[in-house]
Amino acid sequence: QSVLTQPPSVSAAPGQKVTISCSGGSSNIGTHFVSWYQQLPGTAPKLLISEDNKRPSQISDRFSGSKSGTSATLAITGLQTGDEADYYCEAHDDSLNAAVFGGGTRLTVL
Amino acid sequence: VQLVDSGGGLVQPGGSLRLSCEPSGFTFKTYWMCWVRQFPGGGLEWVATINPDGTQTSYVDSVNGRFTVSRDNAKNSLFLQMDSLRAEDTAIYYCTRGNNWAFDQWGRGTLVTVS
Repeated sequence: QSVLTQPPSVSAAPGQKVTISCSGGSSNIGTHFVSWYQQLPGTAPKLLISEDNKRPSQISDRFSGSKSGTSATLAITGLQTGDEADYYCEAHDDSLNAAVFGGGTRLTVL
Repeated sequence: VQLVDSGGGLVQPGGSLRLSCEPSGFTFKTYWMCWVRQFPGGGLEWVATINPDGTQTSYVDSVNGRFTVSRDNAKNSLFLQMDSLRAEDTAIYYCTRGNNWAFDQWGRGTLVTVS
């Protein structure tokens, strides 16, 4: 059971928009920055979003992050088949004094 | 920027392994470094963190007292000494760089199997 809760899977058609939620609590998302990672099949995770909504320079602006209270959301617009991957949220947790991850969400582009 | 992690393998329960990470393309001695593992089912777990000069370390509870993270800034190297290994430590171990409260660079990972 992960500290941060994500839906196991989401799907949408090419060109559409999809959102992935990440629900936590006051000791993690409610207090600390959220990061999002993309893991393509057979590869290591890659940072997509840091500090709730900041994209590294090499990440497409089709990816965006937001946060409200104890929940965060990753949005992906203009879906492409190459976006099919597992997506993970992550934040520091004060109660555990550890970085914690969500269980991951598998995105299928139909 | 590149992180090359190595040292994984098959080990019996109770055994030891030492993982290594060789960074390049950035000033290693100025960054916090971490190890993150991914279990066979896919879940990610932060394992350990070390500060830039190696004087501060922290661990997830499940490995505290069994694993030791260290670094050699003169040789640009990061290590994870894993002792008293258990079956539940079986995972892919990633060397990662900590930056702005995120793991901003990842190695390709090295597989540790305890069986």
